[in-house]
Amino acid sequence: EAGVTQFPSHSVIEKGQTVTLRCDPISGHDNLYWYRRVMGKEIKFLLHFVKESKQDESGMPNNRFLAERTGGTYSTLKVQPAELEDSGVYFCASSQAQGGVAFFGQGTRLTVV
Amino acid sequence: QKEVEQNSGPLSVPEGAIASLNCTYSDRGSQSFFWYRQYSGKSPELIMSIYSNGDKEDGRFTAQLNKASQYVSLLIRDSQPSDSATYLCAEHYGQNFVFGPGTRLSVLP
Repeated sequence: EAGVTQFPSHSVIEKGQTVTLRCDPISGHDNLYWYRRVMGKEIKFLLHFVKESKQDESGMPNNRFLAERTGGTYSTLKVQPAELEDSGVYFCASSQAQGGVAFFGQGTRLTVV
Repeated sequence: QKEVEQNSGPLSVPEGAIASLNCTYSDRGSQSFFWYRQYSGKSPELIMSIYSNGDKEDGRFTAQLNKASQYVSLLIRDSQPSDSATYLCAEHYGQNFVFGPGTRLSVLP
């Protein structure tokens, strides 16, 4: 069974550009989470989907970040326009049940220059 | 105030020793706690989950949860150099998982 997959693995963009990250959760997992780890800091929650609905987006830093999960399958996280402080590793995780084990993707390393 | 706290380390232990990793959390009625291991440049991978007070053993790993004292720990017996990684403590609170900053473990051959 495929795990959580994320694309791309690395992205280097200029300040002001747009980047879209994609996450494919484990098949059958209704819960999908986005996290971010900036240099030297802990992993921080961004938002949580249950199927296609945003259950909690309290961790989204500002309105430059937009997450979608059309059809309740894969999810995208778009940053527009990107700023230098957006650099970090963006992780996606999925779980079958709320409160259950979350499995992580390999992450997307975003560098904004 | 940090929600999940861990000693960032590095924690160095000799090969074959017991490594003890500790984590404290804010008491918000959290029911689920997890230990993840993260190698440099890789994604976090689940080591253990624990839901009730006491010990839970899985191979060389033992997770301990004490809700009254608000701590959860991970013991690694017979530590191996391949155990060298960052260990993340996470609590499931509300709708999401809250992570500690991680403890970097170094097992010296």
